[in-house]
Parts: sequence; C-alpha cells; structure tokens
Amino acid sequence: QKEVEQDPGPLSVPEGAIVSLNCTYSNSAFQYFMWYRQYSRKGPELLMYTYSSGNKEDGRFTAQVDKSSKYISLFIRDSQPSDSATYLCAFPLSGYSTLTFGKGTMLLVSP
Amino acid sequence: GAGVSQSPSNKVTEKGKDVELRCDPISGHTALYWYRQSLGQGLEFLIYFQGNSAPDKSGLPSDRFSAERTGGSVSTLTIQRTQQEDSAVYLCASTSSREQFFGPGTRLTVL
Repeated sequence: QKEVEQDPGPLSVPEGAIVSLNCTYSNSAFQYFMWYRQYSRKGPELLMYTYSSGNKEDGRFTAQVDKSSKYISLFIRDSQPSDSATYLCAFPLSGYSTLTFGKGTMLLVSP
Repeated sequence: GAGVSQSPSNKVTEKGKDVELRCDPISGHTALYWYRQSLGQGLEFLIYFQGNSAPDKSGLPSDRFSAERTGGSVSTLTIQRTQQEDSAVYLCASTSSREQFFGPGTRLTVL
C-alpha cells in the first residue's frame, strides 16, 4: 500500500462549482496535514495547514481531516478559473521534517 | 522580501555529463530541502539540511547525486554522469517553521 494516495485527475468543473479534493494515507505517525497549490511551471505554495481532526476554514477553502479513516479533504467553494492548478496533499512527521507528498490532483475550472 | 531562487531555470544536457543546480534560500531560514518532481512520481524528497547538522541524505536515489550547503545558505545539487531517468524538475525549499517555501525549480532534460 502506498503511503499517500491521491487521484491525479484532471478534475474539470465549471466556474462557481464546489470542488472536493481528497487524499488517503497509511502512516499513523502523520500528525500534521497540509495542502499545497502548484501553478504550472511554479513551485508549490502552502494553502492550508491543520493539525487536528475536524474542519478548518480559510475564505473559500476548507480543510477536513478524519484521522480515524486516515482521510483528508480540501473543499473549494465558488471555484474560480484562477483556482486552476495542481493541488498536493503533504504530510510532515514533525515541525522541520521533510514532506511526504501525494502525487497531486490537477484542477481545471472553466469560465 | 525575496523568495527562494533557483538557477538555472532550465538545463538540457547530454547523457553522461555532470550538472550542478543552485538554490538560494530565503535569508535566515535554517532548513533547506531538495525535492524532485517527475511525471507519474510526484514530489520526492532528496536531501535535507538543518543548521550545522549532518544532512539527511536518505532520499538520494544513487551515489551519482550529492549536495552541499555552504555557509548555511546557498546549496548546490550535483548529478554526475546524468541518465535519462534523471530528467525531472528539481525543487528547492527552505523554512524556519513548518511552512516550506519552494523555489520555481530547475527543469532538467537529459538527452
């Protein structure tokens, strides 16, 4: 079983749609959960970071963690064409540790 | 302030040649990471520098890969006797907290 599973997509949605992006993981030692966004030909940038199970909201973005199921989600409300990017889930073991990434889901939001 | 910078942005080389990739981290960041991003493989950890500690080289795929960090700042990733499977985007990140800030990457093509 791979340590992190993420559907590569592409996921195509119309502008204004609600988007759900997901990752499953197998390592119970993962305590922190991150979502990075990567535009084409750019480096990833941190979008959301959470530690506990439950929901964390930031504007149009909501990160959801279910530690019991080892399942994390990122929801994007009122999606915009500017949200078109690859979204990567990432898991550090501790504060400064290296990140274990999912393979990323490519999202395409059409006007 | 300035972000993480990497050079060159693109590098085309012939199989068997050596290449050097440079990373300038954000000033004051104590930790520096190298990752490789290739199609179908996602982002893979290569090597990690933290302060004056010995680097974590556990992600280097072979002894053809090496890296150094001079003066706790600039880092150079060297690939000797390049192979076609080394073709990828090489990303550098730095941090002084949990958030890793990524550079734009160096796109390496080995012919």
